[in-house]
Amino acid sequence: GAVVSQHPSRVICKSGTSVKIECRSLDFQATTMFWYRQFPKQSLMLMATSNEGSKATYEQGVEKDKFLINHASLTLSTLTVTSAHPEDSSFYICSARGGGEVYGYTFGSGTRLTVV
Amino acid sequence: AQSVTQPDIHITVSEGASLELRCNYSYGATPYLFWYVQSPGQGLQLLLKYFSGDTLVQGIKGFEAEFKRSQSSFNLRKPSVHWSDAAEYFCAVGAQGGSEKLVFGKGTKLTVNP
Repeated sequence: GAVVSQHPSRVICKSGTSVKIECRSLDFQATTMFWYRQFPKQSLMLMATSNEGSKATYEQGVEKDKFLINHASLTLSTLTVTSAHPEDSSFYICSARGGGEVYGYTFGSGTRLTVV
Repeated sequence: AQSVTQPDIHITVSEGASLELRCNYSYGATPYLFWYVQSPGQGLQLLLKYFSGDTLVQGIKGFEAEFKRSQSSFNLRKPSVHWSDAAEYFCAVGAQGGSEKLVFGKGTKLTVNP
């Protein structure tokens, strides 16, 4: 079946630095990728939708200059948290959708970001 | 815009007991409905989904869910819970057409007692 690899699974960074999270579709071409943020014991909040080769569409309230999304190829999307602060600490999850089945998402295993 | 309510934050059942997790949605048309399961520190795994047709949907791991339009509900059920079912369960709703964004409920944490 479809597999999405998300890396790293955990990262600790210092306040003010930037962190890049990768989301790769291993065995299919992901035309659309979604980035979610999950606070402890909360639901997933959609941050942005990215389509290969075009600019990401951000949800209301999400700072596009802080959360940079690049979907340069059909198998890779990256989320860069720039100038990270402790309040950016969270669990970030990507999902990828290939062509064909509607809502045929596959989720990555998530990245736990801790900013100290 | 669509929304999802999962009324129960935390449910505890005994192993072997039956389970029902509640989900209510709000959407102006026929929604696409999903149930996902998440183990601690992990991503989400799809249990089942409803798009159209038979309102009783069978999923993986022995789960099923029933779409009831009159009640705007999509409750998840399992006749006999196993200890390995302990996890967080999320109901989600999607709109037909458009960007295929999912809106998730806040989740229900399931604890299974031996």
